[in-house]
Amino acid sequence: DAKTTQPTSMDCAEGRAANLPCNHSTISGNEYVYWYRQIHSQGPQYIIHGLKNNETNEMASLIITEDRKSSTLILPHATLRDTAVYYCIVRGPTSGTYKYIFGTGTRLKVLA
Amino acid sequence: EPEVTQTPSHQVTQMGQEVILRCVPISNHLYFYWYRQILGQKVEFLVSFYNNEISEKSEIFDDQFSVERPDGSNFTLKIRSTKLEDSAMYFCASSPSPSGELFFGEGSRLTVL
Repeated sequence: DAKTTQPTSMDCAEGRAANLPCNHSTISGNEYVYWYRQIHSQGPQYIIHGLKNNETNEMASLIITEDRKSSTLILPHATLRDTAVYYCIVRGPTSGTYKYIFGTGTRLKVLA
Repeated sequence: EPEVTQTPSHQVTQMGQEVILRCVPISNHLYFYWYRQILGQKVEFLVSFYNNEISEKSEIFDDQFSVERPDGSNFTLKIRSTKLEDSAMYFCASSPSPSGELFFGEGSRLTVL
C-alpha cells in the first residue's frame, strides 16, 4: 500500500501557483519523496524528487518539512496543460523494494 | 529527448488468446518495468527486470504472465491466455539505476472480449 496521503482533488486558477500537499509521516531516513503526474491516460511523467532539502527544476519546486513527514509540490504558474493526477511516492532502500507504489493521487484541475 | 516506445497502442483480443506487448526502453537504461492500470483505477506494479531476470513481481504477475528481453532493445510482456479482467492499459518503464526515476511509455491499451 502507498505510504502517502494526498487530497483527492484540487482546483487552481490558471497562472496561479498550485500547491499540492502530501503527508508521509512514516518515511524512513533514507527514503526519497518522488512526484509524478499522469495526464489523462498517458504514462506517468516524472516531475521531481528529494530527500530532505528543497528542490527546484524547470517543472516544479519541492518543499520538504524539516521533520520530513510532509512535503508540498509547487507548480509556480499553473497552465491548463498541468491538469492531471499528481502522485506523491515514497521510495528507497528501507522500503524493501525499489518499485514505485502509486496511490490514488491528487486530481488537479487548472481552471481558465 | 530519448523516450520509451510501446507497441501496439491498442490491441483487441478474444478471451483465451495470447498477447505480446512490446516495449523499446531508453537505450542506456538497465532496469525495466511493467505496470498496468485498469480503467479508473490505480497504476499497479507488475514486474521489474534486470540483468535478464525478474528482480521483483507482484501477486498480479501470475503464471499467465511472462517477460523477456529477446534482443538488446526490446522488452516484452506476454499474457498466455487472456481473461476479461486483463483489460487495462499496460505501461512499460525503464530506468538507468535501481533508485533512479522511471521513464514511462505511452502505454498499450488491451481490450479482452
